[in-house]
Amino acid sequence: DVKVTQSSRYLVKRTGEKVFLECVQDMDHENMFWYRQDPGLGLRLIYFSYDVKMKEKGDIPEGYSVSREKKERFSLILESASTNQTSMYLCASSFLNTYEQYFGPGTRLTVT
Amino acid sequence: GESVGLHLPTLSVQEGDNSIINCAYSNSASDYFIWYKQESGKGPQFIIDIRSNMDKRQGQRVTVLLNKTVKHLSLQIAATQPGDSAVYFCAEDSPLSGGGADGLTFGKGTHLIIQP
Repeated sequence: DVKVTQSSRYLVKRTGEKVFLECVQDMDHENMFWYRQDPGLGLRLIYFSYDVKMKEKGDIPEGYSVSREKKERFSLILESASTNQTSMYLCASSFLNTYEQYFGPGTRLTVT
Repeated sequence: GESVGLHLPTLSVQEGDNSIINCAYSNSASDYFIWYKQESGKGPQFIIDIRSNMDKRQGQRVTVLLNKTVKHLSLQIAATQPGDSAVYFCAEDSPLSGGGADGLTFGKGTHLIIQP
């Protein structure tokens, strides 16, 4: 069974704080993705990675960065959190050259 | 993504009835389509997928129909149960810049509500 875990289910941070969201998958997937999910907007891709130390911008990368130092771990970083980054953040992973993505449970981040 | 959308944001059905959730897509070159189910407080879970060389695919209590002529995708759930209550997303393959990764463009979702 594929397992994608995220470090926190709920997180509350203050404006201006640096925030780290961690994602780990145990299926040796090459691809990893970070999305944010907002009501009425669906899932929007922030960043993705297809290999260690490789990263590519998705549709809404502004205000975010990522790190992939190990194959199983993909981190999303908010350098200076803002209230408009309050959202549900979903991590996903997949094998190279396949479309089916496996999702983690999500982290609901509130920035006050 | 805007190229994948759903006709109704909310669908209410009686328990035991069949549910049909619809999805329109705009990219006629899309080759792969997938349905996800997201229960409250959880991440999306894979339900069923279909490739463009197929018109229909069946799973356990679910059927996906693909009409390439009108670029329409539907998910049918037979004998809807309370556990089917969730948001359902369709997604289509989308090219991503950079090498190696294959992306999905997601619709905005339909909330399926089961009436007792």
